[in-house]
Amino acid sequence: TQLLEQSPQFLSIQEGENLTVYCNSSSVFSSLQWYRQEPGEGPVLLVTVVTGGEVKKLKRLTFQFGDARKDSSLHITAAQPGDTGLYLCAGVGVANFGNEKLTFGTGTRLTIIP
Amino acid sequence: GAVVSQHPSRVICKSGTSVKIECRSLDFQATTMFWYRQFPKKSLMLMATSNEGSKATYEQGVEKDKFLINHASLTLSTLTVTSAHPEDSSFYICSANPLRGGAYEQYFGPGTRLTVT
Repeated sequence: TQLLEQSPQFLSIQEGENLTVYCNSSSVFSSLQWYRQEPGEGPVLLVTVVTGGEVKKLKRLTFQFGDARKDSSLHITAAQPGDTGLYLCAGVGVANFGNEKLTFGTGTRLTIIP
Repeated sequence: GAVVSQHPSRVICKSGTSVKIECRSLDFQATTMFWYRQFPKKSLMLMATSNEGSKATYEQGVEKDKFLINHASLTLSTLTVTSAHPEDSSFYICSANPLRGGAYEQYFGPGTRLTVT
């Protein structure tokens, strides 16, 4: 069983601060995605990382895939209230490559205080 | 973009009745769709993989006779919760993988909130 542990589970910070969310596993993933979900809605894809060591930037969000493709991080610079939501990482295991099954992380609930 | 819709968005039913939830890919075709369940303040749990024209593949612990899945076309998958009970109350989300996509393209529907009274 592939498990993706996210930390922290909950995070509440002031607007303008920086933060990092971690997604860790003992398993290797062929790709890893980050989603943001708001209450009562489905997850919205933010980014997909595929190559070990890959770094992708999306405005104030920076995503990194670990060299060994077992972990990932999401860094938000100058957080804004609009960043509030549930952040989920999800990976396609090496063994699952080809059948598109995603394993979701445990989630990080982020609250940005104005 | 790739849009996935779900219907209904909310449903309340009485214990013992069955409820059907539809998942549609609006602007792309999907040979594979996925059904997830999400409890309050928790992450998504994969229930089953729905394959067009063949039987669904269920995850361990998910009763296939309880959660009937039909993937009749490349744009529609349905999940029927049979003989619903209050413990089936949850947020059900589907996702679809475009035919053109690689192993990591999945687009999610807006979810269906099921409440069983």
